[in-house]
Amino acid sequence: ETVVTQSPATLSVSPGDRATLSCRTSQSIGSALAWYQHRPGLPPRLVIYEASTRAIGIPARFSGSGSGTEFTLTINGLQSEDFAVYYCEQYSIYLPWTFGQGTKVEIK
Amino acid sequence: QVQLQESGPGLVKPSETLSLTCTVSGGSIINYYWTWIRQPPGKRLEWIGSIYYTGTTRLNPSLTSRLTMSVDTSKNQFSLSVTSVTAADTAVYYCARDLRPHSDNWYYYWGQGTLVTVSA
Repeated sequence: ETVVTQSPATLSVSPGDRATLSCRTSQSIGSALAWYQHRPGLPPRLVIYEASTRAIGIPARFSGSGSGTEFTLTINGLQSEDFAVYYCEQYSIYLPWTFGQGTKVEIK
Repeated sequence: QVQLQESGPGLVKPSETLSLTCTVSGGSIINYYWTWIRQPPGKRLEWIGSIYYTGTTRLNPSLTSRLTMSVDTSKNQFSLSVTSVTAADTAVYYCARDLRPHSDNWYYYWGQGTLVTVSA
């Protein structure tokens, strides 16, 4: 099973600032990585897939990068609706797909 | 717009079977994989498994022995059963779907989620 580790656990950011979230996998997965935004009481929302492609309806302030075992989600100009928990998911060759433990982006 | 809705008991006794159904509206169940994902309280999301509309399944190896998935194309529904449940199976259960047909990687469509508690 591919282990996914996110850092930091919590990120305190002021509105309008940039947030940088990291995701690391225990083995190389190419670009087989997605990011989700999860707000309380709602289902996860797909933000990024294939490591760097924004999902439908996701604003341009969200960007993803990385390949292999190291990935980054960057949110520029944080807005109030962006404060949430973010999970990365790997979907490389071998099942099961696995998720990281999440990074909570909170208001500073 | 595709919508998914989970349904099933919110409380299951230990050692019994958890059964959930996901009803799909706004689109056909044909040509897609349909997925179950859960999140225990305070823990990360866990991929349970997926079923193709033909009935072919892809299951989490850690849960395989206790899982059954089925699909009913006439009702546009798919279902999950987990046998011999324990408190560790307490979680919010989501049904989900990849955006693309024949694909089971990243999930664009999600149900609202349903909390299932395992307790006597």
